[in-house]
Amino acid sequence: QKEVEQDPGPLSVPEGAIVSLNCTYSNSAFQYFMWYRQYSRKGPELLMYTYSSGNKEDGRFTAQVDKSSKYISLFIRDSQPSDSATYLCASIQGAQKLVFGQGTRLTINP
Amino acid sequence: GAGVSQSPRYKVAKRGQDVALRCDPISGHVSLFWYQQALGQGPEFLTYFQNEAQLDKSGLPSDRFFAERPEGSVSTLKIQRTQQEDSAVYLCASSTTKGLNTEAFFGQGTRLTVV
Repeated sequence: QKEVEQDPGPLSVPEGAIVSLNCTYSNSAFQYFMWYRQYSRKGPELLMYTYSSGNKEDGRFTAQVDKSSKYISLFIRDSQPSDSATYLCASIQGAQKLVFGQGTRLTINP
Repeated sequence: GAGVSQSPRYKVAKRGQDVALRCDPISGHVSLFWYQQALGQGPEFLTYFQNEAQLDKSGLPSDRFFAERPEGSVSTLKIQRTQQEDSAVYLCASSTTKGLNTEAFFGQGTRLTVV
């Protein structure tokens, strides 16, 4: 079993919809949680990170962590076609090593 | 430079051939990482350098994989006697911090195809 699990999708929604992307993790020692966005044939780029449980908001994006259920979420409001990409959740192991989920492929249809 | 630069962008190798993949990190970044991303999967950690010291190579899949960063800047990932299962995108990332790695910048990757 992978330490970070993510539904690979694909997920297709109409423009303007609220998108919910989710991951689960198994390692109780994980404290920091990241969301990366990866466009086709590009490297991942960091969207945001959160520490422990709670919410963090950045513009149209909200990251949520529930440590009691080991559940990580990313919400995208007012989704745009430019949000079409693969979204990767990740956590940090041993201060430096990123452990990624499989990635969810998202398409926003105009 | 403006970002992490990797070369070549694409590499086709015949099975059994040796390959070398290059990473130019962001200037001044202390930490450098290599990840392997198979098709449809998330990146998997290979190895980590702090300056020229290779502090973690636990993710290297076999002794055919070797990485170096001799002057603490440019890094090379070498794969000897390539196999079909080595086909993947190899990503390099760098960050400023020696401590908790909350912001690593990734390059565009080198797509290796072994035929």
